[in-house]
Amino acid sequence: GENVEQHPSTLSVQEGDSAVIKCTYSDSASNYFPWYKQELGKRPQLIIDIRSNVGEKKDQRIAVTLNKTAKHFSLHITETQPEDSAVYFCAASGGSNYKLTFGKGTLLTVNP
Amino acid sequence: KAGVTQTPRYLIKTRGQQVTLSCSPISGHRSVSWYQQTPGQGLQFLFEYFSETQRNKGNFPGRFSGRQFSNSRSEMNVSTLELGDSALYLCASSLYGGGETQYFGPGTRLLVL
Repeated sequence: GENVEQHPSTLSVQEGDSAVIKCTYSDSASNYFPWYKQELGKRPQLIIDIRSNVGEKKDQRIAVTLNKTAKHFSLHITETQPEDSAVYFCAASGGSNYKLTFGKGTLLTVNP
Repeated sequence: KAGVTQTPRYLIKTRGQQVTLSCSPISGHRSVSWYQQTPGQGLQFLFEYFSETQRNKGNFPGRFSGRQFSNSRSEMNVSTLELGDSALYLCASSLYGGGETQYFGPGTRLLVL
């Protein structure tokens, strides 16, 4: 089955710096890669996603890149703010397995 | 539209008991997935239902089961509870499942004593 590895497990940055979180996946049939943000005590919420026919997608300060050949994708957050502090999860889905496989998460702390 | 709802929000049980959790998806969504979230393990997939049929199951023992009703509401049941079953149980709904956005409920926090 699909396996998703996520790094780093914790990331601390200064406000205004950029943050990058990387994920790799194992199943070449995967074609959908969402990123979720989970604030303490709250439910995971989708922040951005990308499909395998696209190499990069941006939404204001957030961008995701996908390298299908290497089977890895990354989340980039620019101009980080304290409210970006949360746990971020990457996930992969594809083929006919009807499920999302999640990475173990990255705790991002943005220091004012 | 109302979001995904889960009941109850909190549960305390003792070892050996069983528990049933409920999930109401967003109106019109036919796919419901269940996940177990524990510290350090992220979100682990339990199972996914679509139109009352289980289409996929994760690597959990048979004590974990689920079902979906004709109105797309779903329940999951854990029998013979163990201490290690203490976790946040999240459900997520989507229109058809698979490679599309899943919307999560607030979760049910289960504590097994």
